[in-house]
Amino acid sequence: EVQLVQSGAEVKKPGESLRISCKGSGFSFSSYWINWVRQKPGKGLEWMGRIDPSDSNTNYSPSFQGHVTISVDKSISTAYLQWSSLKASDIAMYYCARESPHRYQLDVWGKGTTVIVSS
Amino acid sequence: DIQMTQSPSSLSASIGDRVTITCRASQNIITFLNWYQQKPGRAPNLLIYAASSLQSGVPSRFSGSGSETDFTLTISSLQPEDFATYYCQQSYSPPLSFGGGTKVEIK
Repeated sequence: EVQLVQSGAEVKKPGESLRISCKGSGFSFSSYWINWVRQKPGKGLEWMGRIDPSDSNTNYSPSFQGHVTISVDKSISTAYLQWSSLKASDIAMYYCARESPHRYQLDVWGKGTTVIVSS
Repeated sequence: DIQMTQSPSSLSASIGDRVTITCRASQNIITFLNWYQQKPGRAPNLLIYAASSLQSGVPSRFSGSGSETDFTLTISSLQPEDFATYYCQQSYSPPLSFGGGTKVEIK
């Protein structure tokens, strides 16, 4: 079965660092870009960025550039989304999604990771 | 960056109604336009890609049309399981932006 399995919910304090993960299975992980999408409570979807596991090439949305880092370990078919210093405004659900190489649609999604930042 | 504008932001409809949602891109994206459905507490699910191609497993009552800057998602006969929020997304060039969403509610 083709799937993306995301790490569990996180509760952190402002200023702390965090890395969440997205593990692919059932497909050739290195052949598909992995995207990250944010959804704040009660709001819409925001595209954050993506990574090509074959060479770690990344694209970021200007809205997220410099605030998050997307990385990958293709040896274990896992992509990561990382913060060095969390803010209360980072409270959200974060989804990873596989991007089809044909027309770049997001055809497989993880279930999401909830990030809560509270002092 | 390409901006995506959906309308309406919400609508009320009855079972069996024909529903149309529109999406406009701020520049020509050819047919690099995708539609997703999201139900509360769930991840989004791909419905339509490349403007008019139905994703495998998606019911045929869903259809998409359009090109360049103007696109439409149509549900031919609304079913109870279709009450959800729908998003368009351009995949022409990064950042791969989403529309603001259309919430389809029960009348």
